[in-house]
Amino acid sequence: EAGVVQSPRYKIIEKKQPVAFWCNPISGHNTLYWYLQNLGQGPELLIRYENEEAVDDSQLPKDRFSAERLKGVDSTLKIQPAELGDSAVYLCASSLDMNTGELFFGEGSRLTVL
Amino acid sequence: QKEVEQDPGPLSVPEGAIVSLNCTYSNSAFQYFMWYRQYSRKGPELLMYTYSSGNKEDGRFTAQVDKSSKYISLFIRDSQPSDSATYLCAMTGGTSYGKLTFGQGTILTVHP
Repeated sequence: EAGVVQSPRYKIIEKKQPVAFWCNPISGHNTLYWYLQNLGQGPELLIRYENEEAVDDSQLPKDRFSAERLKGVDSTLKIQPAELGDSAVYLCASSLDMNTGELFFGEGSRLTVL
Repeated sequence: QKEVEQDPGPLSVPEGAIVSLNCTYSNSAFQYFMWYRQYSRKGPELLMYTYSSGNKEDGRFTAQVDKSSKYISLFIRDSQPSDSATYLCAMTGGTSYGKLTFGQGTILTVHP
């Protein structure tokens, strides 16, 4: 069974440029998460989807960040314009049953903003 | 103050040692407690899951939850070099159910 797939793995951009990250969750997993992980820190939730509905986006900086999950499968996270402080790893995760506490994470997209 | 506090370490131990990793939390509504392991440049993976207070053992790993003290622990017996990773505690419950709140992670190195 394929795991959570993210792309790109690495991205280097100049500040003020746009950037987009893509996530393909495990087949059949209705819940999808985007987490932000700064160096030396634990992941922090940006947005959680149940199917195509964003059920928790309270931590998403909506002035520059946007996300979508079309047809309740793949998801895209966009930053426009990027700032220096956005340099971090963006993790996508999916889950089938939250009762088990098991989120399946992708390997992450590492963003460097110069 | 963060909802979940975890000593970042780093922690360095010799092979075969017993390792103790700990987290404290402030939200009394948390009921589900997890430990994730994250290898360098990889995503976290679930190691242990416990519900409410008590102990859970899985091979060399034991997770303990003390809800009265808002304190959780992970013990690793007979530690191996392959255990070298960052260990993240995570929890959810109450109005936060469905959203995992993570500690900042403890970096563990096990020397041969």
